[in-house]
Amino acid sequence: NAGVTQTPKFQVLKTGQSMTLQCAQDMNHNSMYWYRQDPGMGLRLIYYSASEGTTDKGEVPNGYNVSRLNKREFSLRLESAAPSQTSVYFCATNRGPNEKLFFGSGTQLSVL
Amino acid sequence: RKEVEQDPGPFNVPEGATVAFNCTYSNSASQSFFWYRQDCRKEPKLLMSVYSSGNEDGRFTAQLNRASQYISLLIRDSKLSDSATYLCVVMPMDTGRRALTFGSGTRLQVQP
Repeated sequence: NAGVTQTPKFQVLKTGQSMTLQCAQDMNHNSMYWYRQDPGMGLRLIYYSASEGTTDKGEVPNGYNVSRLNKREFSLRLESAAPSQTSVYFCATNRGPNEKLFFGSGTQLSVL
Repeated sequence: RKEVEQDPGPFNVPEGATVAFNCTYSNSASQSFFWYRQDCRKEPKLLMSVYSSGNEDGRFTAQLNRASQYISLLIRDSKLSDSATYLCVVMPMDTGRRALTFGSGTRLQVQP
């Protein structure tokens, strides 16, 4: 029972490259989230999916796209990476918006 | 004004000390309050939910003060292993986003 699985754990990109971060959960949760964490900034919400088939922008959505592929999977795509997107990315899930969150182990992304 | 504000610290305390953190939130209608713990470069993990009547879990006590719009975390008999960053998490009701919002965290360093 893995909980929330996030891949890759580390990635280095050049400016302008694209990549997709994958997140899968086996907790049968309805809601999934992508956060980014920068030093001194706490976690900021990029996009979220309250339920299968829906996605919504968070606080910092620019430069990102998401896909809620099915109930289990929620991917985050950077179409043209920029140095400002260097960060640690966390996927999280919960049963519903007011419920406690469970996190993946994070992706450390560097854009050169 | 930020939705959720925390003193970044660090709080440097000796083993065995009692330490308390506060976290203020901006919207009086906010619901669902949590404290998370985050170790360096790791994913946040739930420490405890915060209930209206206050709640305790071993050495940890959480309180909610709706009138003054803050939540608190009290740690008694601090252990070296309590050294971490403590994140305050709130469900805001004024952003239009159905997702939990994180404070920037308070760093605790327990010293021998």
